[in-house]
Amino acid sequence: NAGVMQNPRHLVRRRGQEARLRCSPMKGHSHVYWYRQLPEEGLKFMVYLQKENIIDESGMPKERFSAEFPKEGPSILRIQQVVRGDSAAYFCASSPRAKVGGTEAFFGQGTRLTVV
Amino acid sequence: ELKVEQNPLFLSMQEGKNYTIYCNYSTTSDRLYWYRQDPGKSLESLFVLLSNGAVKQEGRLMASLDTKARLSTLHITAAVHDLSATYFCAVTTDSNYQLIWGAGTKLIIKP
Repeated sequence: NAGVMQNPRHLVRRRGQEARLRCSPMKGHSHVYWYRQLPEEGLKFMVYLQKENIIDESGMPKERFSAEFPKEGPSILRIQQVVRGDSAAYFCASSPRAKVGGTEAFFGQGTRLTVV
Repeated sequence: ELKVEQNPLFLSMQEGKNYTIYCNYSTTSDRLYWYRQDPGKSLESLFVLLSNGAVKQEGRLMASLDTKARLSTLHITAAVHDLSATYFCAVTTDSNYQLIWGAGTKLIIKP
């Protein structure tokens, strides 16, 4: 049973380009959470999705950022017109129920976005 | 607003020594987690603490929770090099799915 798969692991974008980060949850998990980790900081919640629904996007910047979790395929975090401040590690977690943490949630290895 | 503070943020210690990492949080939360992160890697769940006075131990690591003081500690006994990593504590909000994270403690254990 593969864990949470994120790709790419590393992504370099020039200012103004678009970044697409993918997250395939663990088999049987229908809840996906995205977190952002700035250098030397803890993770910050961005968005919580279930299949085809955004449940809570209170941590997402209002502009340029969007997320989806379609019926088929991975969850996508999309950042349009990237700026240097978007450089961070983006982690995805999945769980079988609406709880994150402990043994019920599993994190992917993250996508490290660098904006040059 | 729920905030989580860890200290120290950086710790360098010798093998064989004992030390404690502290995690304070600002408002009531009944679920606290400790995670480990190796450089460039994902987050590994270590402990989940659910109630006041809870204590959990795994190898050389022991975590405890005092909900009245809003304080959790992660104690390292007789440290070994393999424990070098960044350790995070995190707590849940009332909504029970957002995790609020501390800034992490970068632990370096020298042989």
